[in-house]
Amino acid sequence: AQTVTQSQPEMSVQEAETVTLSCTYDTSESNYYLFWYKQPPSRQMILVIRQEAYKQQNATENRFSVNFQKAAKSFSLKISDSQLGDTAMYFCAFIPGGIGGGSNYKLTFGKGTLLTVNP
Amino acid sequence: DTGVSQNPRHKITKRGQNVTFRCDPISEHNRLYWYRQTLGQGPEFLTYFQNEAQLEKSRLLSDRFSAERPKGSFSTLEIQRTEQGDSAMYLCASSSGGLLRNTDTQYFGPGTRLTVL
Repeated sequence: AQTVTQSQPEMSVQEAETVTLSCTYDTSESNYYLFWYKQPPSRQMILVIRQEAYKQQNATENRFSVNFQKAAKSFSLKISDSQLGDTAMYFCAFIPGGIGGGSNYKLTFGKGTLLTVNP
Repeated sequence: DTGVSQNPRHKITKRGQNVTFRCDPISEHNRLYWYRQTLGQGPEFLTYFQNEAQLEKSRLLSDRFSAERPKGSFSTLEIQRTEQGDSAMYLCASSSGGLLRNTDTQYFGPGTRLTVL
């Protein structure tokens, strides 16, 4: 069974600063995907960034980047130049299967980190 | 916008009543998922459809829960004889599962918030 742990229930950051959210996971799978999802207050969950375990290069999407350490089973999210609109609950999630097919249907989520960006 | 849609967005019901939720996935997606999210927790997997076939059900899905996806398009989730413990956000997601590397990302709908009084 897979588990995802987010050890920071809440974090805050000043606008324009950088913040890093932590995530660790446990799995015996060799191929898998990792995700960060963002859930703003009373709004739907949206994908922030995705990392494929077979890729050594860390994924980046504009101001969002990850630090993927496969051996350590760590997958942290860095948000640069934080904006007020980044205020949200952030969920780290894992799905096995990797490259197509297989059992890649069940996302396992952490409990989330509530990020508040202060003006 | 052709994202995942869910109806109703909010549902308040009395204990013992039946409720049904609907999910319309992104049109070209063949996989559909239901998750449940309680306050302060991440979503938990409930069930999964590949086209019209329900391929996996979580142990969280008691006999009072049933999900269907007729014709492989929209899906419904029905809860019979609701209990207060069923109060939660019910999320639907879809993906284009297959052999391509760019698949497997699940896109979520806005959810249906259920309150059982």
